[in-house]
Amino acid sequence: GIQVEQSPPDLILQEGANSTLRCNFSDSVNNLQWFHQNPWGQLINLFYIPSGTKQNGRLSATTVATERYSLLYISSSQTTDSGVYFCAVEGGTASKLTFGTGTRLQVTL
Amino acid sequence: ETGVTQTPRHLVMGMTNKKSLKCEQHLGHNAMYWYKQSAKKPLELMFVYSLEERVENNSVPSRFSPECPNSSHLFLHLHTLQPEDSALYLCASSQWVNYGYTFGSGTRLTVV
Repeated sequence: GIQVEQSPPDLILQEGANSTLRCNFSDSVNNLQWFHQNPWGQLINLFYIPSGTKQNGRLSATTVATERYSLLYISSSQTTDSGVYFCAVEGGTASKLTFGTGTRLQVTL
Repeated sequence: ETGVTQTPRHLVMGMTNKKSLKCEQHLGHNAMYWYKQSAKKPLELMFVYSLEERVENNSVPSRFSPECPNSSHLFLHLHTLQPEDSALYLCASSQWVNYGYTFGSGTRLTVV
């Protein structure tokens, strides 16, 4: 099946800093989504972005499908951004979303 | 609240018990899912229902038994679980399969 790798696995930022999270995938995709899981376990869908660039407030995402990667940008980070960010893809021969192992982000004061 | 409600939030059960997890959505979504989240592992898809029909069964042991009586409700029946089944069990729904997920808050299951 399709492989999804996220980097870095862990990231600690000071409030106000910017960061870039990366998602690499091993096959062509027709569906790519970014999720945020807060420290209490709630998962929220951030972006549906199989290609191109989208922005939502301080967050933006870019997927370069031909090169099989996606980036999630967080600007002016806040403590509420802490949690785990997951990339999930649907592609190759599979008809299900495959999740990466996530990037755990901690934003400190 | 996201619109997907899971109960209970926490569950401790013995290996010989039988229990059920419940998931409810009133978003008008057509697809519902069960995921398992264990420490240090990616989310694992367990079951997918589309319009109340099971469309994916991801090689899940038979001690987990799903039930989808209507498009708003999804259950996961548990029996004779093992300690390694301890995990966060997440329910999600979406308008169409694999698009526009809304997750519930999960049930933290501990098997003793």
